[in-house]
Amino acid sequence: AAGVIQSPRHLIKEKRETATLKCYPIPRHDTVYWYQQGPGQDPQFLISFYEKMQSDKGSIPDRFSAQQFSDYHSELNMSSLELGDSALYFCASSLVGASYEQYFGPGTRLTVT
Amino acid sequence: DQQVKQNSPSLSVQEGRISILNCDYTNSMFDYFLWYKKYPAEGPTFLISISSIKDKNEDGRFTVFLNKSAKHLSLHIVPSQPGDSAVYFCAAKMNRDDKIIFGKGTRLHILP
Repeated sequence: AAGVIQSPRHLIKEKRETATLKCYPIPRHDTVYWYQQGPGQDPQFLISFYEKMQSDKGSIPDRFSAQQFSDYHSELNMSSLELGDSALYFCASSLVGASYEQYFGPGTRLTVT
Repeated sequence: DQQVKQNSPSLSVQEGRISILNCDYTNSMFDYFLWYKKYPAEGPTFLISISSIKDKNEDGRFTVFLNKSAKHLSLHIVPSQPGDSAVYFCAAKMNRDDKIIFGKGTRLHILP
């Protein structure tokens, strides 16, 4: 079965650079969620989108922004990167109204040097 | 403040026996509880969920029990298999929010 696709899988950036992470949800899923998992931490919710509109917002820094496109894929844009942004970034998707059943992608490992 | 707590960082169980993973929570407003399984270098895989109005949900070898009065839930895996070795995250959410709140995870080792 098709799963959530994230690209790139690994990304190395320097401090103050920008990064863009992409997420392609499971076919027919219309809601996407972004999570950040720091080393040894549990995943923390960043933001979610449904029908190209922000649905919910968590602890997302102002330096980050995200959007969802008409084909339901989503991009997380991160600017002025800091060392503390080094983490695994997961995207998840679900059908609208089924946010209790979120399916996660493999994650993008971002390393900021 | 950790709203979902998994107090056992790791657990070792003999293959074929029952694995019991425990989870406590502090927020009585949670509407759903979920269990995810995670292998290294992969994203969390949804396993099973339970609504707060139920006390048990079963799916194959996996059963989740919810004790609302104790704010406690557990995941039972029987029989345990080698492929069950992974990190298990307990998680919870409210209907009004999209976010899932995760515990810190329990690493399960299935011994041959």
